[in-house]
Amino acid sequence: AQSVTQPDIHITVSEGASLELRCNYSYGATPYLFWYVQSPGQGLQLLLKYFSGDTLVQGIKGFEAEFKRSQSSFNLRKPSVHWSDAAEYFCAVGPSGYNKLIFGAGTRLAVHP
Amino acid sequence: NAGVTQTPKFQVLKTGQSMTLQCAQDMNHEYMSWYRQDPGMGLRLIHYSVGAGITDQGEVPNGYNVSRSTTEDFPLRLLSAAPSQTSVYFCASIPGQQNTEAFFGQGTRLTVV
Repeated sequence: AQSVTQPDIHITVSEGASLELRCNYSYGATPYLFWYVQSPGQGLQLLLKYFSGDTLVQGIKGFEAEFKRSQSSFNLRKPSVHWSDAAEYFCAVGPSGYNKLIFGAGTRLAVHP
Repeated sequence: NAGVTQTPKFQVLKTGQSMTLQCAQDMNHEYMSWYRQDPGMGLRLIHYSVGAGITDQGEVPNGYNVSRSTTEDFPLRLLSAAPSQTSVYFCASIPGQQNTEAFFGQGTRLTVV
């Protein structure tokens, strides 16, 4: 069955530090992969997506993610975290694009000043 | 252009009551979906629609009905509310093409007592 695992429920980093959020997926073929961010009380905003091609994808707000087929991973990174990045982050896989997304449980990011 | 509008934002129901969560989009998108978000579980797909008159079940459809009589609207009906349906509900709309973004509403927080 298709699934997405985000091993870290909570992560705390200091402002200015680098960030990596982990995501592993289970899917029979190369999936469509997404990272979303959710600020408190808000809906979901797409940070970036991978469909094919270059395995390092750039997104909004300075985020990037790297698709590693051998590890079934799609980790999200940011070189320097800002206090405004505090939010919950969701990795998702879409067997047929954006329709019928399968989400991970989410990682809640706290940023210390 | 309002995007995806969900109403109400908050709702408290008694067990056994019925209600309809509304979702409307003004972007002429083909695809619309309903998800529920529960702590530690990410978002799970309830029902989705690939066009007016066409709906299908997602991962957790039990206790919910949907219909899609127009392109713009995709209401979610709770037939007999149960405490297990306490959740935050998100509606999403997608243009229908694989390489375009899914737009999420702001969510409806439902509590069943």
